[in-house]
Formats: sequence, structure tokens, C-alpha cells
Amino acid sequence: QVQLQESGPGLVKPSQTLSLTCTVSGGSISGGRYFWGWIRQPAGKGLEWIGRIYGTGSTNSNPSLKSRVTMSVDTAKNQLSLTLSSVTAADTAVYYCAREGYDILTGYGLFDYWGQGTLVTVSS
Amino acid sequence: EIVMTQSPATLSVSPGERATLSCRASQSVSSNLAWYQQKPGQAPRLLMYGASTRATGVPARFSGSGSGTEFTLTISGLQSEDFEVYYCQQYNNWPYTFGQGTKLEIK
Repeated sequence: QVQLQESGPGLVKPSQTLSLTCTVSGGSISGGRYFWGWIRQPAGKGLEWIGRIYGTGSTNSNPSLKSRVTMSVDTAKNQLSLTLSSVTAADTAVYYCAREGYDILTGYGLFDYWGQGTLVTVSS
Repeated sequence: EIVMTQSPATLSVSPGERATLSCRASQSVSSNLAWYQQKPGQAPRLLMYGASTRATGVPARFSGSGSGTEFTLTISGLQSEDFEVYYCQQYNNWPYTFGQGTKLEIK
């Protein structure tokens, strides 16, 4: 059973950088077949896709955040990381990491395993 | 960016009855549409993908239909554990986008 666990500071000051780590167990992030993504959800609101990374380090991110987002993988620790620079109050949200699965008919894009999420608040 | 619009925002249905949730895309997403269920304080759970294929372990009372821009999630014989929030998501184009959700509440 694949499990994901997000970790990182719960409070970040405006203009600073948000940094989160996702530890994956029950499966290798470099094993191929899957992308590993980040999704966020402001309180009481919908979900926003941030970006994804493959085990090789190849990334894609949401154009609305692209200039501020950096993603990386540490295959030795089976972890993926997200940094979001120049944060504002609008970046306050629960941040999830998730496995992006593949269907033979429709391709990638299915988030089949999720972490429990971690709340990040941007405030001085 | 493809905008996903879900309706209604809140749906009131009695247990045992059928619920029909709608999702509309601002442009065609083919059948690259997924549905998720989210309980309070939990991560979303994948219910449906390819518009009509149930994910592993999802009960048969959940069914999905549609293609292009119009999609429906139907839950038949509603049970107490079904009264949650449901999101649709398109994965036909980047960036992936989600609807704003439909809250299914007990009537």
C-alpha cells in the first residue's frame, strides 16, 4: 500500500519561501510509471494543481505559479520536495502530495494516492 | 486553462434515493475526467476516471457518464457515508483543473 506524508513548517512569513517535503512509502518514486504531484486547497475552497515531478526529475507546473515553484526528488530518501517563493496570504492552504497514476485509455492525470495534507499559513 | 463548473453547489437528497451531480468543462476534455470524494479533514479519494470507470474499491452504486464538455456522477441508493463533497477534475490539458465542488447533504 502506497503511503504519502507531507511535512514542513506550518507558518511562513509573507515574502518568504514555503518548503515542504513528501515522504513516500510502499513504492519507489523512481520506479517509473508514476508522476508525483502537489495540489493545494485553501480553507473551504476547491483544489488547485500546483505541479508534478517524475522520478528522473522532469517537472511540469501550473503556469499561474510556475515562476515561484520549484520541485525536486531525492530518490535515496524516496522523497519529493516543493518550494514556493515570495508567498502571500493567498498561498495559505492545505498542501497535498499525491501519486499521479496512468490509465491505458486516458493516460496520466489520475490522483490515486494522497497524503493527509499539511496546513501552511502565511502570516507575519 | 480549462474551467470546470459543477452544479449544483449543494444538493439535498434523502438516504436511499439517487443523486445526480453535474460537471461542465469550458472546452472539450474528451473522456479525461475524474471524480473525487472528500470527507471533512481528509484528502480527496479517487472515485471515477475516464468519465465512467470506477476506481478500485468504489461501490457499484457510483456511476459516471459523459464526454466532451458535459459529465454526470450518479449515486444510487444513497448511504449515510455518501453525504460528502464531490469534485470533478479534467486531465486532458495542462494545467489540470478541478471544479469547485458539490456538497451532497441529507434532506
